[in-house]
Amino acid sequence: DAKTTQPPSMDCAEGRAANLPCNHSTISGNEYVYWYRQIHSQGPQYIIHGLKNNETNEMASLIITEDRKSSTLILPHATLRDTAVYYCIVRVGDSGYALNFGKGTSLLVTP
Amino acid sequence: DTAVSQTPKYLVTQMGNDKSIKCEQNLGHDTMYWYKQDSKKFLKIMFSYNNKELIINETVPNRFSPKSPDKAHLNLHINSLELGDSAVYFCASSQNRGRYEQYFGPGTRLTVT
Repeated sequence: DAKTTQPPSMDCAEGRAANLPCNHSTISGNEYVYWYRQIHSQGPQYIIHGLKNNETNEMASLIITEDRKSSTLILPHATLRDTAVYYCIVRVGDSGYALNFGKGTSLLVTP
Repeated sequence: DTAVSQTPKYLVTQMGNDKSIKCEQNLGHDTMYWYKQDSKKFLKIMFSYNNKELIINETVPNRFSPKSPDKAHLNLHINSLELGDSAVYFCASSQNRGRYEQYFGPGTRLTVT
């Protein structure tokens, strides 16, 4: 699976959009980009995933650059409950198996 | 209804003891996983089962033995517990081993004294 690089920490004001970047310059054509988050002391939670096209669901939007070497997770209106560690994971879609969690980005949403 | 449940939530035990952690999922998923999160917060895969068949067995001491009585359950048995086994253990499941999202349980915090 391709390696990802994320900033260790970010701050965001409540109600504003949180834009979390992820670099995956060695991504292969059959690798998907997944985002998970872990709120303190809880199990990781799936947010969204995509291959090439931008994706949106009720939680967030995922923007993938045309060359697929980077992506951005967007939380459109961050709330205090969005404070968590966010993990960007790249893996082959049909390989199944495990998720390789890196260090992630610790997002702090402030009042 | 809880999708992925684990018992117990907390487990405190002494070195040398044997303990088990149970995991159940009611999502009808085919694949289940055990992850370990150490004190530095790194989350690493330990085992994965697909339809009761072991498909991943990372470099984990033989003292750790997963058991899947049916595809809704994946239990983790640990023999001769050591101080370094102290961690939070997460169970997860996915529809199958394809590109599907994984659903995690609440975790079991194991403390070995």
